[in-house]
Amino acid sequence: IAGITQAPTSQILAAGRRMTLRCTQDMRHNAMYWYRQDLGLGLRLIHYSNTAGTTGKGEVPDGYSVSRANTDDFPLTLASAVPSQTSVYFCASSDSLDRNEQFFGPGTRLTVL
Amino acid sequence: GQNIDQPTEMTATEGAIVQINCTYQTSGFNGLFWYQQHAGEAPTFLSYNVLDGLEEKGRFSSFLSRSKGYSYLLLKELQMKDSASYLCAVIGDDYKLSFGAGTTVTVRA
Repeated sequence: IAGITQAPTSQILAAGRRMTLRCTQDMRHNAMYWYRQDLGLGLRLIHYSNTAGTTGKGEVPDGYSVSRANTDDFPLTLASAVPSQTSVYFCASSDSLDRNEQFFGPGTRLTVL
Repeated sequence: GQNIDQPTEMTATEGAIVQINCTYQTSGFNGLFWYQQHAGEAPTFLSYNVLDGLEEKGRFSSFLSRSKGYSYLLLKELQMKDSASYLCAVIGDDYKLSFGAGTTVTVRA
């Protein structure tokens, strides 16, 4: 693995179903982030983690949860998916808290019907 | 809250120069990034400014004026592969990135 990987690449999901989007990085970065990207709205932060064992809420956290059991993995869970969660989801990581240059995964395209 | 504005679309001719402006009003300022994002792909880092002035990197340059809450990204000698969205992002007091909606640049032959 080199960089950040996300799985699945795309998914179609029935409303009400539970779904976990996976994110793994091999750069030993302390901070990790989940964004959603919607047309005309840009990237919006859902949740973040500054270090393993800690998480925080971003701009649009409702309906999503995260965990950070170790440095490499940062899964995003939709407990009960709704159509408004149809979006492209990007995971990112960064090494330095102050500069915060973020490296992005390839994204997961999620459709909730 | 954070407010970051950039034009929605720009079109330019191959070989020309395009300037993408970004204005911001944020809670604190700890740096400004420009990212490039091709359709269907992840954003990739282009530039970082934390002090006033111009940062040049090959065909791409980025300028920052903190007192005006203003930045621009300058793309010179445009190539077809430069057709992409360009995202302006600011680090506020909370050290998290806030993104503008992005500017889609179309390069025509």
